[in-house]
Amino acid sequence: EIVLTQSPGTLSLSPGERATLSCRASQSVSSSYLAWYQQKPGQAPRLLIYGASSRATGIPDRFSGSGSGTDFTLTISRLEPEDFAVYYCQQYGSSPGITFGQGTRLEIK
Amino acid sequence: EVQLVQSGAEVKKPGESLKISCKGSGYSFTSYWIGWVRQMPGKGLEWMGIIYPGDSDTRYSPSFQGQVTISADKSISTAYLQWSSLKASDTAMYYCARLNGVVPYYFDYWGQGTLVTVSS
Repeated sequence: EIVLTQSPGTLSLSPGERATLSCRASQSVSSSYLAWYQQKPGQAPRLLIYGASSRATGIPDRFSGSGSGTDFTLTISRLEPEDFAVYYCQQYGSSPGITFGQGTRLEIK
Repeated sequence: EVQLVQSGAEVKKPGESLKISCKGSGYSFTSYWIGWVRQMPGKGLEWMGIIYPGDSDTRYSPSFQGQVTISADKSISTAYLQWSSLKASDTAMYYCARLNGVVPYYFDYWGQGTLVTVSS
């Protein structure tokens, strides 16, 4: 089973700053089957990034994804007030199929 | 517009059965896998299983195999998640979501969630 470990657990930043969130896999994630989601309180998750670096429809270009193999990064270039939320990475692999990281909480400093 | 609309919140007692639903619209329901994701109070996301409504091919996470049943009725574009005997530990928000990708691996549309509370 591929385990995804996200760091840091909580990230405290101010609007306008750059956020860098990490997702590390216990084994190589095949063909960059890696996605990122944003979840705000009381809302369903929203797809941000798929294929490690492709932005989903309607996602602002301040969000970017990078990485391959076992190390992946979500970067938010300049934080807007609405970006403070919990972020999850997710991978697809052979077994058990789909796993999520434990999440990174991005909070206002 | 793609939409997944889930059934409403449920309050049940331990030992009771439950079936919640997820109705898809705005796309070909039989052509995309649908997944179910659990989120326990204050916790992260857990994948439970997926179903392909076109032929009802179903895959379960090992953590949920035997604990729940996933099904679909393609005639009404609806997927289901059911329990035969609920436990207090089943208290959670449950989301359905559509899987996309050439190899379907990312959830591009999500339902609004169904809150299930199990309490005596």
